[in-house]
Amino acid sequence: GAGVSQSPSNKVTEKGKDVELRCDPISGHTALYWYRQSLGQGLEFLIYFQGNSAPDKSGLPSDRFSAERTGGSVSTLTIQRTQQEDSAVYLCASSLVDRGLQETQYFGPGTRLLVL
Amino acid sequence: GQQVMQIPQYQHVQEGEDFTTYCNSSTTLSNIQWYKQRPGGHPVFLIQLVKSGEVKKQKRLTFQFGEAKKNSSLHITATQTTDVGTYFCAGRRTYKYIFGTGTRLKVLA
Repeated sequence: GAGVSQSPSNKVTEKGKDVELRCDPISGHTALYWYRQSLGQGLEFLIYFQGNSAPDKSGLPSDRFSAERTGGSVSTLTIQRTQQEDSAVYLCASSLVDRGLQETQYFGPGTRLLVL
Repeated sequence: GQQVMQIPQYQHVQEGEDFTTYCNSSTTLSNIQWYKQRPGGHPVFLIQLVKSGEVKKQKRLTFQFGEAKKNSSLHITATQTTDVGTYFCAGRRTYKYIFGTGTRLKVLA
């Protein structure tokens, strides 16, 4: 079946502009995560959604970052007034906890953001 | 803050040699997951460990979760060129998964 999809795959923007990144999770997955990965680095947690609510927004780097999820499905991550340090790959993952309490995160291909 | 450290950062091995990466958390974890990321790709789930002292095997891969649920290891026996990539651990604390810094494995044929 279809996996997690993200759009756009690449985004080049000028410093100061706003960008919107989209994530389409696997159908039926209630949990959704956003991460950021800088070149050659590990994954930095940004935000977690359970359904449409975000119980943990502590990972958002600044108030320029916001995210929402509607209908328990699609999520958008918005970065306002982009800065060069925002350049990274933004990864989305969705998950479902199975009966054995196993949670597998399925990652999308990511959006590569470059702020000039 | 909450940190998950991994060592080594890089590892080059000859094909057929064993490889181990270690993951250490400053705080107790609810569970720990391991992921593999190929160059240019996205992380792919390998396994989840939940219980203190748990050991799981997947073919040539052996995963362990420490008794205090603060550390974990991944051991690969007789590495192959297909094992190339970066291996990340991810420890769960409440709602968050805190990813380790990763170990980049290179296998020389």
